[in-house]
Amino acid sequence: GESVGLHLPTLSVQEGDNSIINCAYSNSASDYFIWYKQESGKGPQFIIDIRSNMDKRQGQRVTVLLNKTVKHLSLQIAATQPGDSAVYFCAERFIEGAQKLVFGQGTRLTINP
Amino acid sequence: GAGVSQSPRYKVAKRGQDVALRCDPISGHVSLFWYQQALGQGPEFLTYFQNEAQLDKSGLPSDRFFAERPEGSVSTLKIQRTQQEDSAVYLCASSLGTQGGYTFGSGTRLTVV
Repeated sequence: GESVGLHLPTLSVQEGDNSIINCAYSNSASDYFIWYKQESGKGPQFIIDIRSNMDKRQGQRVTVLLNKTVKHLSLQIAATQPGDSAVYFCAERFIEGAQKLVFGQGTRLTINP
Repeated sequence: GAGVSQSPRYKVAKRGQDVALRCDPISGHVSLFWYQQALGQGPEFLTYFQNEAQLDKSGLPSDRFFAERPEGSVSTLKIQRTQQEDSAVYLCASSLGTQGGYTFGSGTRLTVV
């Protein structure tokens, strides 16, 4: 994935608003995508996944959209809460059946009260 | 156990020392992964085990890095002759099968001084 060192892209939203986090993935052959949430001092936590034969998947308060034409993935979080503040990573699996995930650079989401 | 457990939580090593990082995956999980996460970046793949077999070690940065999972459960990542650039959080993850997302541990933060 791309590296931006300490300068993560950031997104600030007001509590209760919806947020959209975007990710550009690198490999048109990737067949599986995952969004992870990482809080300070913890490992990444699975949020939602989507396979390449789908363009939308919904979970509880979260929706993932996949646009294969432009290799773009987004995570929508509805009615954000303070606990949603974290760094969010998208990850792609390059080759069907292979296990390695390649992570994007991450976006820091801050929820303002 | 209920989650992936990693130890130690923090490790400070003098340059040139050898270190061993331990991962206890979720009981019964077939797949086990090691990732390296530098400050402000996404995790980067190191190696993958299916049971006791190391099927992919393409991400290990040098021959100073060695991983094993001799009985198909606990895994150890060993780094010999540590260098300052080895400073990072080392994440372990496991999954029940060979498809889908996986569960991460909280990681071991290694600081080489």
